Amino acid sequence: AQSVTQLDSHVSVSEGTPVLLRCNYSSSYSPSLFWYVQHPNKGLQLLLKYTSAATLVKGINGFEAEFKKSETSFHLTKPSAHMSDAAEYFCVVRVGGTYKYIFGTGTRLKVLA
Amino acid sequence: DTAVSQTPKYLVTQMGNDKSIKCEQNLGHDTMYWYKQDSKKFLKIMFSYNNKELIINETVPNRFSPKSPDKAHLNLHINSLELGDSAVYFCASSQRAKLVSSYEQYFGPGTRLTVT
Repeated sequence: AQSVTQLDSHVSVSEGTPVLLRCNYSSSYSPSLFWYVQHPNKGLQLLLKYTSAATLVKGINGFEAEFKKSETSFHLTKPSAHMSDAAEYFCVVRVGGTYKYIFGTGTRLKVLA
Repeated sequence: DTAVSQTPKYLVTQMGNDKSIKCEQNLGHDTMYWYKQDSKKFLKIMFSYNNKELIINETVPNRFSPKSPDKAHLNLHINSLELGDSAVYFCASSQRAKLVSSYEQYFGPGTRLTVT
């Protein structure tokens, strides 16, 4: 059965320092993986997606994620945090062969001035 | 242009009432979804329709009834509202890409339902 685990419920970084949001997945199939961002009182926006092409995926706003099959991980990174990055981030796996998506519990990113 | 829109944005109502939330997408997608986000930000899928056919129906009280009049619309009707129904409800849509099976979802802005 597919599942996704976000290892940190809260992450705090200083502005200008790197961001690392961790996600581990479990999947019987070659997974489709996504990262979404939700700013306060807003809908979810797709940051990036992995669909069995390149293992290093670049997304919007300077974010990228690396698919590591051996570690079953899909961690989200950004070299330098900006105040506008403060939001809730969700790692998502699509259940292979279906239209069903499983969301992680979310990581709240706080960026300190 | 708004890709996925929901109305209303806010809905405050009393226990026992019946209410509806509407969703429309102009992306030409063939699959639409309803999600519930609780106060801890946890997102759970409720329903999904593909080409107007119900394909996902999670463990949801039968007071919740989705309706898809066409591929571009998916409405959610809730009967006999309870305090525990208070949440943010998100509509989403997706479409299989022709070259890459990515299936990414596009979300609406959400409807914040408060039951008093």
